[in-house]
Amino acid sequence: NAGVTQTPKFRVLKTGQSMTLLCAQDMNHEYMYWYRQDPGMGLRLIHYSVGEGTTAKGEVPDGYNVSRLKKQNFLLGLESAAPSQTSVYFCASSSELAGENSYEQYFGPGTRLTVT
Amino acid sequence: RKEVEQDPGPFNVPEGATVAFNCTYSNSASQSFFWYRQDCRKEPKLLMSVYSSGNEDGRFTAQLNRASQYISLLIRDSKLSDSATYLCASNTGGFKTIFGAGTRLFVKA
Repeated sequence: NAGVTQTPKFRVLKTGQSMTLLCAQDMNHEYMYWYRQDPGMGLRLIHYSVGEGTTAKGEVPDGYNVSRLKKQNFLLGLESAAPSQTSVYFCASSSELAGENSYEQYFGPGTRLTVT
Repeated sequence: RKEVEQDPGPFNVPEGATVAFNCTYSNSASQSFFWYRQDCRKEPKLLMSVYSSGNEDGRFTAQLNRASQYISLLIRDSKLSDSATYLCASNTGGFKTIFGAGTRLFVKA
């Protein structure tokens, strides 16, 4: 049971290049999330998905797109990378707990992206 | 004002000490709360969930004060291995969880 995995672990891009970050989870969770983490800012939600084929914008969605074609996968795309997108990106997944109105989130190991 | 606020620290404590962190939240509709532990250059890992007044797990105790809108994390008998950043989070019952920026803890021998 791998939990949540992310690829790649590290990437350096030049301004204007594009890339896709892949997130996979094997816990059969309905909900998946993409966050970015910057020093002093905490985790900020980029996009999220409440099920296969559905996506929604989070707090900081500009410059990113996502897709959830399969329940276990959630892709984050950067169409034209900018230095402001230099960050650590975390994927997470959650399933509503039975009997509780809560969503404990489980995170992948992260992708460190540098845009020069 | 941030929706979830934490003292960034760092907290420097000796081994064996008891240390407490507070986290305030501004949305009175928040229903569930979490403490995550994050080691340097690693992902956040769920430490504890708080759904009612509090929760206890070994050396760790989390308490919720809805009247004053804060949750606390108490660590007793600190170990060197407790050194990490502790993230507080709140959830209003939907899919969105708001995270604080974290409190850094250093436990020294």
